[in-house]
Amino acid sequence: KAGVTQTPRYLIKTRGQQVTLSCSPISGHRSVSWYQQTPGQGLQFLFEYFSETQRNKGNFPGRFSGRQFSNSRSEMNVSTLELGDSALYLCASSAAHLLNTEAFFGQGTRLTVV
Amino acid sequence: DQQVKQNSPSLSVQEGRISILNCDYTNSMFDYFLWYKKYPAEGPTFLISISSIKDKNEDGRFTVFLNKSAKHLSLHIVPSQPGDSAVYFCAASVPNAGGTSYGKLTFGQGTILTVHP
Repeated sequence: KAGVTQTPRYLIKTRGQQVTLSCSPISGHRSVSWYQQTPGQGLQFLFEYFSETQRNKGNFPGRFSGRQFSNSRSEMNVSTLELGDSALYLCASSAAHLLNTEAFFGQGTRLTVV
Repeated sequence: DQQVKQNSPSLSVQEGRISILNCDYTNSMFDYFLWYKKYPAEGPTFLISISSIKDKNEDGRFTVFLNKSAKHLSLHIVPSQPGDSAVYFCAASVPNAGGTSYGKLTFGQGTILTVHP
């Protein structure tokens, strides 16, 4: 069974630009969540999508947005990039229709804003 | 407001000995707890989990203990191996209104485990 796939693995962008990250969940998983990892803040929840609907959202500005497609693949977009957006962005998928199921993470996208 | 706390930033253990990683939480709504292992520049790898209706769960060398009254859980690794050296994250979730898994995990800050040969 293929794992969670995130593309691209590495990205360098300039301040003010926008970026789109992609995540393909494990086959059959309908929930996709996004996290930001920085040295100072640890792993912070961005948002979760389930059946193409945002089900929960963390405390991030509106510059961070996402969507989910009918095949459960998800994209995350960050507009007007700031230096502080440099981080490892992680996507996780879970079955979510069952109680107490673990989330499986992709390898992440390392975003550097210069 | 950090709802999940790992108060030890690092832990150093000799190979073959027991590693004990600790985690405290404040939100009494958490009902599912997970441990993840992470290497730099990679995604976290799921290790073991425990539901709030249990107080212990074992999987090979890994055992997780949950003390609900103290809002405390711990991960025991016995015996520790050099390959266990990584950052360990404790995470917790609440159920959603429909009774299924909630896709939001709240993570602790992580503990760097170093196992010396």
